Amino acid sequence: AQKVTQAQTEISVVEKEDVTLDCVYETRDTTYYLFWYKQPPSGELVFLIRRNSFDEQNEISGRYSWNFQKSTSSFNFTITASQVVDSAVYFCALSHWTGANNLFFGTGTRLTVIP
Amino acid sequence: DTGVSQNPRHKITKRGQNVTFRCDPISEHNRLYWYRQTLGQGPEFLTYFQNEAQLEKSRLLSDRFSAERPKGSFSTLEIQRTEQGDSAMYLCASSLQASEAFFGQGTRLTVV
Repeated sequence: AQKVTQAQTEISVVEKEDVTLDCVYETRDTTYYLFWYKQPPSGELVFLIRRNSFDEQNEISGRYSWNFQKSTSSFNFTITASQVVDSAVYFCALSHWTGANNLFFGTGTRLTVIP
Repeated sequence: DTGVSQNPRHKITKRGQNVTFRCDPISEHNRLYWYRQTLGQGPEFLTYFQNEAQLEKSRLLSDRFSAERPKGSFSTLEIQRTEQGDSAMYLCASSLQASEAFFGQGTRLTVV
């Protein structure tokens, strides 16, 4: 069974603070993909990153960074120097190795960045 | 705009009526997905197509739901005899093979 847990329902930070969004997953697959999506108030899910289970290297893209730790089944997302435009709901998701994009999503973390 | 397009954006219908939603994927994408998202929850996978073939259906897709992609381009999702529990955001996504999926803005259905 596939399961994604995002224990933080809501987080509020003041602009320019760093924030980490947690994601813990469960899967019986030995190979799989992990994702992060952003859902702003407009409703459209915006793709942020896809990581396969073979690649445990951390990734940085501008103010965004991701920490994948297979040993703890976690794929955490950090935003550095947060901005008001980062306010959104962030979803972590998991898929089978087939990568067919039938994704199992967590319940999301609502991030509010206060100016 | 070359993103995924969904119509209508909002739909209000009376219980028992049929509704149909349309999704136009990114033009070169051969895979198309439907998801449902209820308030406060993450999206749940419903079904996906590779070209015109429907390859997988979730058990969430009851007999009242049917999806088609007749020419491997746009897709429709029909819900027959709508129930209040069908109220949700219906999201469509597309991808080129197994590359990352891009989502549309969704169709918000309210069944009254």
